[in-house]
Amino acid sequence: DAKTTQPPSMDCAEGRAANLPCNHSTISGNEYVYWYRQIHSQGPQYIIHGLKNNETNEMASLIITEDRKSSTLILPHATLRDTAVYYCIVRVAGETSGSRLTFGEGTQLTVNP
Amino acid sequence: DTGVSQNPRHKITKRGQNVTFRCDPISEHNRLYWYRQTLGQGPEFLTYFQNEAQLEKSRLLSDRFSAERPKGSFSTLEIQRTEQGDSAMYLCASSLQGLSTEAFFGQGTRLTVV
Repeated sequence: DAKTTQPPSMDCAEGRAANLPCNHSTISGNEYVYWYRQIHSQGPQYIIHGLKNNETNEMASLIITEDRKSSTLILPHATLRDTAVYYCIVRVAGETSGSRLTFGEGTQLTVNP
Repeated sequence: DTGVSQNPRHKITKRGQNVTFRCDPISEHNRLYWYRQTLGQGPEFLTYFQNEAQLEKSRLLSDRFSAERPKGSFSTLEIQRTEQGDSAMYLCASSLQGLSTEAFFGQGTRLTVV
């Protein structure tokens, strides 16, 4: 699985958009970009994933650059409950692949009132 | 279904004792994963099952660790002769088999070896 690079920490004001960057310059054509977050003392929570196209769900939007070497997770209106460690993970996806997730150290997002 | 369930949530044990943790995945999920997380680090993969077959084991899974999923439903993770270095959060996740399926995690079992 390709390595990812994320800033160790970021701050965001409540109600504003939080934009979390991730670099994955060695990503392969068959690797998806996944985002998880982990609120203190809880298990990781799936947010969103994508391959090439931008994706949006009820939690967030995922913007993947055309060359797929980086991506941005956008939380459109951050709340205090979005304070968490956010992990960007690239993963080979396939019917027979192991599908393990390789977590890095993530970005600690702090949403301030 | 309330998601992935792990028991116990917390376990304190003396060094040298054996401990066993249980994970109940989401009922229709045929893949089950175990991860370990130490303070300040991201989760690290330990092992994974597809149905009852254990298909992959990390080098982190020493011979003191054993995992089972006897009927392809719940799983157990046993640590024999615990050491202080085994103190960590043990996370279980489950997913469907497929091209791009997300894994759902339980709340974890926090092990403290004293």
